[in-house]
Amino acid sequence: QVQLVESGGGVVQPGGSLRLSCAASGFTFSSHAMNWVRQAPGKGLEWVAFIRFDGNDQYYADSVKGRFTISRDYSKNTLSLQMNSLRAEDTAVYYCAKEASYGPYFNYWGQGTLVTV
Amino acid sequence: QSALTQPRSVSGSPGQSVTVSCTGTSSDVGGYNYVSWYQQRPGIAPKLMIYDVTKRPSGVPDRFSGSKSDNTASLTISGLQAEDEADYYCCSYAGTYSWVFGGGTKLTVL
Repeated sequence: QVQLVESGGGVVQPGGSLRLSCAASGFTFSSHAMNWVRQAPGKGLEWVAFIRFDGNDQYYADSVKGRFTISRDYSKNTLSLQMNSLRAEDTAVYYCAKEASYGPYFNYWGQGTLVTV
Repeated sequence: QSALTQPRSVSGSPGQSVTVSCTGTSSDVGGYNYVSWYQQRPGIAPKLMIYDVTKRPSGVPDRFSGSKSDNTASLTISGLQAEDEADYYCCSYAGTYSWVFGGGTKLTVL
């Protein structure tokens, strides 16, 4: 079965950096686009970043563009999010989410990892 | 991209039907038939309930249905059950590999 397990969250000072990871299993990692979606405490969902199945294209929400970098490691079946110049408003639970094979939807999600700035 | 507009809360009694609206613009909801709905229970990751405006993934009860008219999408839950109590989020593809979510609607089953 599909499993997505995030790690790397924690407490960081404003201006600091953090790297999140998402270990993927139960599906062909190299065949699916992946995303990061976040949720600030008590707030709604916000799409953060997308990476194509082949890693050739990455797209970001305006709120994180230039500060966050999404990447993937096919040898480890791992998705990553490098977060630099962190701000208080980046405080959130960060979910990795697998894109569905049938369209631009998030059909599997990890349990999330909390980042506090 | 501005968040899609959803009511903050809706409620209904067991067995009744409720509808959650989701209003966007011609750049997202009105421009694509890539509208989805997610159910989120407290402390748990979201679950895909509706995609392609009207379709249900395997395992989602047919009590859940979706529709769209112009810039507004809707989720209807019929035959409400206590287990349906959760937050519901709409989401629309907004072009060039970007997505926008609604602010979320808290469903209370009375």
